[in-house]
Amino acid sequence: TQLLEQSPQFLSIQEGENLTVYCNSSSVFSSLQWYRQEPGEGPVLLVTVVTGGEVKKLKRLTFQFGDARKDSSLHITAAQPGDTGLYLCAGMVSNTGKLIFGQGTTLQVKP
Amino acid sequence: KAGVTQTPRYLIKTRGQQVTLSCSPISGHRSVSWYQQTPGQGLQFLFEYFSETQRNKGNFPGRFSGRQFSNSRSEMNVSTLELGDSALYLCASSLGGISYNEQFFGPGTRLTVL
Repeated sequence: TQLLEQSPQFLSIQEGENLTVYCNSSSVFSSLQWYRQEPGEGPVLLVTVVTGGEVKKLKRLTFQFGDARKDSSLHITAAQPGDTGLYLCAGMVSNTGKLIFGQGTTLQVKP
Repeated sequence: KAGVTQTPRYLIKTRGQQVTLSCSPISGHRSVSWYQQTPGQGLQFLFEYFSETQRNKGNFPGRFSGRQFSNSRSEMNVSTLELGDSALYLCASSLGGISYNEQFFGPGTRLTVL
């Protein structure tokens, strides 16, 4: 059974601070996606990483896929209150089309 | 392009009843996946339909079932509702690739079982 462990589960920081969320597994994924979800809504896709070692930047967000394609990280620089939400990582199990989700990281950025 | 739509958005049922939820995918998407989200368990995969066939299945009891129509719209049915079925039910559509498959979620159906 493939599992994705996300850490930390909860994060409360002040506006302007930096943070990193980690997503780890013992399984190899063919691709990995990061989503952000706000209360009462569905998750919104932020980025997909495919190649081991790949780094993608989305404004103040930096996503990295581990060299072995088993782990990923999301780094936010100078967090803002608008970044508040639930961040989810999801790995694609090779040749199945199935996504496995981590438990999520609840981020609160205080002004 | 219109996004994924789910109906109804909110539903209140009592134990023992059955419920049907509907999902309309993004135009051109052939895969629809269903998830259950609760505060304690997070996002759990129910099943995926691709071209009207169930391609993947999670670890849920047989009370949870689904189907997909020729226009890719999908329905999920839960029979003999239990209190523990109260959750946000999300559907996601995608093109259906098996190695690279970006999923786009609908807003969800909030089901409350009394």
